[in-house]
Amino acid sequence: KAGVTQTPRYLIKTRGQQVTLSCSPISGHRSVSWYQQTPGQGLQFLFEYFSETQRNKGNFPGRFSGRQFSNSRSEMNVSTLELGDSALYLCASRGDSYGYTFGSGTRLTVV
Amino acid sequence: LAKTTQPISMDSYEGQEVNITCSHNNIATNDYITWYQQFPSQGPRFIIQGYKTKVTNEVASLFIPADRKSSTLSLPRVSLSDTAVYYCLVGSRSGATNKLIFGTGTLLAVQP
Repeated sequence: KAGVTQTPRYLIKTRGQQVTLSCSPISGHRSVSWYQQTPGQGLQFLFEYFSETQRNKGNFPGRFSGRQFSNSRSEMNVSTLELGDSALYLCASRGDSYGYTFGSGTRLTVV
Repeated sequence: LAKTTQPISMDSYEGQEVNITCSHNNIATNDYITWYQQFPSQGPRFIIQGYKTKVTNEVASLFIPADRKSSTLSLPRVSLSDTAVYYCLVGSRSGATNKLIFGTGTLLAVQP
């Protein structure tokens, strides 16, 4: 079966702009989580959505937001981009059993 | 979620068995131990999960002593393609804690 699909794969944005990243989870998975990975901070949890509701949130500013649609697809949005937002953004989906499946990520570069 | 401690890096040669140990002194009764593997510019990949004693699958074994304060991921006969970062995580399976807390991981470098 298809894995977790993240689009786009690479993105370059300018400071002050906003960006929307997309994640399509494995079919049947209702939980979608987002993570930010940087060389300095490692992998950090952003938020988790389950059945269109945000269930958990990490310690990130309000510029980072997300949503989940009825088909479980999720988007995350970052507004007023800063240079420090340059990172690999990962999406993970989970079904009924424990164990997350991650996508390949979106590499965001802010210039 | 319990904090984990792993070696920053390890070196090995092709064909050897590699054991990566993770300390999790504050593991809770309901916590499971899960290991992920990550290659550069890719998302982490689930390797194995266990609660106690020993778990084995087609790619690795996980050894957990009775006190569960540590665990060891064992990779048999590693190859160059096993060069990656390995993360040990502990957490509950319950829905209330559906977030993964990653530590620094262990960079395993396999040489020919």
